[in-house]
Amino acid sequence: KAGVTQTPRYLIKTRGQQVTLSCSPISGHRSVSWYQQTPGQGLQFLFEYFSETQRNKGNFPGRFSGRQFSNSRSEMNVSTLELGDSALYLCASSWGTGGNSPLHFGNGTRLTVT
Amino acid sequence: GDSVTQMEGPVTLSEEAFLTINCTYTATGYPSLFWYVQYPGEGLQLLLKATKADDKGSNKGFEATYRKETTSFHLEKGSVQVSDSAVYFCALRVPNTDKLIFGTGTRLQVFP
Repeated sequence: KAGVTQTPRYLIKTRGQQVTLSCSPISGHRSVSWYQQTPGQGLQFLFEYFSETQRNKGNFPGRFSGRQFSNSRSEMNVSTLELGDSALYLCASSWGTGGNSPLHFGNGTRLTVT
Repeated sequence: GDSVTQMEGPVTLSEEAFLTINCTYTATGYPSLFWYVQYPGEGLQLLLKATKADDKGSNKGFEATYRKETTSFHLEKGSVQVSDSAVYFCALRVPNTDKLIFGTGTRLQVFP
């Protein structure tokens, strides 16, 4: 069974640009969540989608947005990139049924903003 | 708000030594607790979990017990291997969501 797939693996962007990251969940999983990992702030929750609806959102500015499609695939978008947005962005999927349904993570997209 | 605190690293051990990585949490409800491991250049892999008080999660020789009275979920392994070298994250899951709150991570280095 294929795991969580994130594309691309690496991205280099310039300040002020926008970027879109993609995540394909494990087959059958309906929940997708996104996390940002940086050396300074560690792992922080961005948002969670279930059945195309945003279920929870972390404490990030409105430049960070996401969406989920009917096949459960998800994208996140960051507009007007800042240097501080350089990070590893991790996507996770689950059945979406709560505490007994573990999250499975992809290998991440490493974004570098110059 | 909810939070997770885990011991600073790096933890440096010789092969076959005993490992403990401390983790404590603060939560208003009754979260599930997890340990994840991250190898260089990879995402997070679920190592073990516990969903209620006194549950013991175990996997690959690692164990952790959900202690509600001490709000702790310490990770232990009786005999570490070089291949266990990685960063370990303790996390709690906000009930009824996929929101995980992570600790800062503890780097483990095991030398032969």
